[in-house]
Amino acid sequence: AQRVTQPEKLLSVFKGAPVELKCNYSYSGSPELFWYVQYSRQRLQLLLRHISRESIKGFTADLNKGETSFHLKKPFAQEEDSAMYYCALTRAGSGNTPLVFGKGTRLSVIA
Amino acid sequence: ETGVTQTPRHLVMGMTNKKSLKCEQHLGHNAMYWYKQSAKKPLELMFVYSLEERVENNSVPSRFSPECPNSSHLFLHLHTLQPEDSALYLCASSPRLAGGRIDTQYFGPGTRLTVL
Repeated sequence: AQRVTQPEKLLSVFKGAPVELKCNYSYSGSPELFWYVQYSRQRLQLLLRHISRESIKGFTADLNKGETSFHLKKPFAQEEDSAMYYCALTRAGSGNTPLVFGKGTRLSVIA
Repeated sequence: ETGVTQTPRHLVMGMTNKKSLKCEQHLGHNAMYWYKQSAKKPLELMFVYSLEERVENNSVPSRFSPECPNSSHLFLHLHTLQPEDSALYLCASSPRLAGGRIDTQYFGPGTRLTVL
C-alpha cells in the first residue's frame, strides 16, 4: 500500500536557522515524490518534485530510496516560509495517477 | 482568476439540503480530481476523471456524487451530508491523459464546507 508519513505535525524554527521537514514513504513500486505548500489563505501549490532536482525558494529535497525518505531542507529559514507543507507520492511513469498525501507539517518561522 | 477556480468558496448547509460544488479549469487539462482536506486527516483523494470519464472512486459514500460534463468542468453534488463531512474540498487538474511521465496537479482554492 502507498503511504506517506510526515512525523512532525508542527515545526518551529528561528529565522536564519536550518529547516528539515521529514517525509518517509512506503511504496512497493517506483515512486515519484513531491512537496506541496499552502501559505496562509492561499491555495495548495507545488513546491518541488524530485525528478526536477531543482531548488525552489531555497528549498531542496533528495529522494533516498534506501531510507525511503524525501526530506525537505532549507539552510536558512525565512519568515515567509511559514506555511503548511505536504509531502506527496505517486507511481512514476503511469500518467494521471493521483497523489497520496501525508498529513502535513506546519512550519512556523519565528523572527 | 485564472487556473483552477472553485465556487462557492464557503458553504454552510443542513443535513437535509442538496447543494453542488463547482470546479472549472482554464488550463486545457484532461484530468480533474476531487480531494477532501479534513483537519485531522491527510488529504484524501475522492474522485478522478480523465476525459470526462470517472477512472477512480475511492470508496466515497454515495451522498457525494461527482459529475464531469466536459473536460473543463467538474461538479460535486452533495445530498444528506453528515457533520463529519465538514471539510475543505479541493479540486485539482492535470494535463496528461494517460501514459508517459506524471504531470503536476494544479489545485483550486477549495470550498470550505460546514454541515450543521
